[in-house]
Amino acid sequence: DTEVTQTPKHLVMGMTNKKSLKCEQHMGHRAMYWYKQKAKKPPELMFVYSYEKLSINESVPSRFSPECPNSSLLNLHLHALQPEDSALYLCASSQGRTAPNYGYTFGSGTRLTVV
Amino acid sequence: AQSVTQPDIHITVSEGASLELRCNYSYGATPYLFWYVQSPGQGLQLLLKYFSGDTLVQGIKGFEAEFKRSQSSFNLRKPSVHWSDAAEYFCAATASGGSYIPTFGRGTSLIVHP
Repeated sequence: DTEVTQTPKHLVMGMTNKKSLKCEQHMGHRAMYWYKQKAKKPPELMFVYSYEKLSINESVPSRFSPECPNSSLLNLHLHALQPEDSALYLCASSQGRTAPNYGYTFGSGTRLTVV
Repeated sequence: AQSVTQPDIHITVSEGASLELRCNYSYGATPYLFWYVQSPGQGLQLLLKYFSGDTLVQGIKGFEAEFKRSQSSFNLRKPSVHWSDAAEYFCAATASGGSYIPTFGRGTSLIVHP
């Protein structure tokens, strides 16, 4: 299995809702990442988990809350989002955070719309 | 500061024509270098990578890239473009040491005319 699976593919939520994005990989990768991507822009790093521990938080607002329940799963909990948070949210994994030469495997993303 | 520059926002080619997408980097030492492709509404897919050795690297989907240290460049090429190659292409670099988090270029949008 060489894939990163993200669910749901599309999500529309109100500003008072609570929702979660899910990411799963079974490649034995020990680093997992959340990226946010606006249209026609490169992905922007949000969080990095290494061996299930939060390694990097790129000063992301607290309305985004990551969780790594085990080495295969990564969640992003959303609460009280703003319309400007509408974007494509990408999950990625790599063999290890300090093994960059292998590159990242990305999921196909969750298209989030905040209304 | 470390940076990756993709000078071309858009590139338009005819199907069957050759393609070259440019990427320049600014790092203290030679970084690890990558090219990713993103089809509309999809995630990024790794096309190829370079970190040492042969300066001409082969990737998936018939793409290749050449590393030129003297020009700080890592340009992506394909001899004959197919309509399905229309997508956004991102060059990325990771410093050896440090945070290991890649820096992405702004992307180049490839348009393929029939």
